[in-house]
Amino acid sequence: AQSVTQLGSHVSVSEGALVLLRCNYSSSVPPYLFWYVQYPNQGLQLLLKYTSAATLVKGINGFEAEFKKSETSFHLTKPSAHMSDAAEYFCAVSGPKAAGNKLTFGGGTRVLVKP
Amino acid sequence: NAGVTQTPKFQVLKTGQSMTLQCAQDMNHEYMSWYRQDPGMGLRLIHYSVGAGITDQGEVPNGYNVSRSTTEDFPLRLLSAAPSQTSVYFCASSSPGTGARTEAFFGQGTRLTVV
Repeated sequence: AQSVTQLGSHVSVSEGALVLLRCNYSSSVPPYLFWYVQYPNQGLQLLLKYTSAATLVKGINGFEAEFKKSETSFHLTKPSAHMSDAAEYFCAVSGPKAAGNKLTFGGGTRVLVKP
Repeated sequence: NAGVTQTPKFQVLKTGQSMTLQCAQDMNHEYMSWYRQDPGMGLRLIHYSVGAGITDQGEVPNGYNVSRSTTEDFPLRLLSAAPSQTSVYFCASSSPGTGARTEAFFGQGTRLTVV
């Protein structure tokens, strides 16, 4: 069975500081990994995805994530936080196509950006 | 392009009542799924469908029914609402893709309260 663990349910950063959100996964097959962002009272929006083409993945809004197989990690970073980055972030791993690409999510990390 | 549309956005039910959450997508996606979001638990899969007439259970299916008569629609039925079903419900759709997993597109959510 697949699982995702996000370390830290809440993260507080100052505007302009580095954002680092941690994600570790467990999967018996090569994983397809995603980061989604949820702004207040909205649905989930894709930030970026890892599909084995490259270990460093760039996404929208200046975010990027690095896939490290040896550490079973897919941490999300942004060099300089902006007030608009305040949101909840979810890491997810995709199941097989036969199961409709179903997603297994981590518990989420809520990011607070301080001025 | 509307994407994934969920109705209603908010609903209050009394214990024991039944209702249907509607989900429609206009992207001709084969795969559709329902998730519930609870604080600290991320999103958990309720039911999913890989095409019209084909549905299967996810992680937390008890108390919910689904059917898929068309590619576009995937309603979720609560048979007899319980307070434990108070949650935010998200519908998502995706396509199989030709190789790597494709991302899921999410609706705006339905916030359900059972009293």
